[in-house]
Amino acid sequence: EPEVTQTPSHQVTQMGQEVILRCVPISNHLYFYWYRQILGQKVEFLVSFYNNEISEKSEIFDDQFSVERPDGSNFTLKIRSTKLEDSAMYFCASRPGGGDTEAFFGQGTRLTVV
Amino acid sequence: LAKTTQPISMDSYEGQEVNITCSHNNIATNDYITWYQQFPSQGPRFIIQGYKTKVTNEVASLFIPADRKSSTLSLPRVSLSDTAVYYCLVGSPLTGGYNKLIFGAGTRLAVHP
Repeated sequence: EPEVTQTPSHQVTQMGQEVILRCVPISNHLYFYWYRQILGQKVEFLVSFYNNEISEKSEIFDDQFSVERPDGSNFTLKIRSTKLEDSAMYFCASRPGGGDTEAFFGQGTRLTVV
Repeated sequence: LAKTTQPISMDSYEGQEVNITCSHNNIATNDYITWYQQFPSQGPRFIIQGYKTKVTNEVASLFIPADRKSSTLSLPRVSLSDTAVYYCLVGSPLTGGYNKLIFGAGTRLAVHP
């Protein structure tokens, strides 16, 4: 069964450092998403991406965040200068598109900022 | 996007049927109702989706009354492995409602032996 894969599974970084979280969505899917979940809290929407551009973004997704689909298969989330409060699980998801509502989520990357 | 309201938590025992109701009073004509399940430290997983009446798949049933202002996810004969958080989402994939996939607080289901 096809799946969304995320790397790394766990990343520890120092405050102020840049991190790049990587995702390989399911082939032929058209919509891509990044979410985060702070420990014990709900899943929060960050950004959605379609047709090589951001289609929606939340208030959380400020200038410190950026997304890219550099080569047609990878989908990355970059945090330019990490803060302690960026520590969370980050989930990537993809959806086929059109009327298909099922989004497939990856296993997540646990980001710890120290 | 229609706002959803679910119970914060529920408890059940192995072998029982569990029904989780979600209220979505402002659901729009084009909106679908989708349920996701999330285990600790894992990404949400799609369970079921419906528009009206009843939908059934191998893991759950979804009941939607005629006014569509609520929906009920039914899990037959739950086991310990069904302990998870269950999210109800409402939106239309055809009008941009699925550009966000907003998750609420969900319902934390605990299944006891």
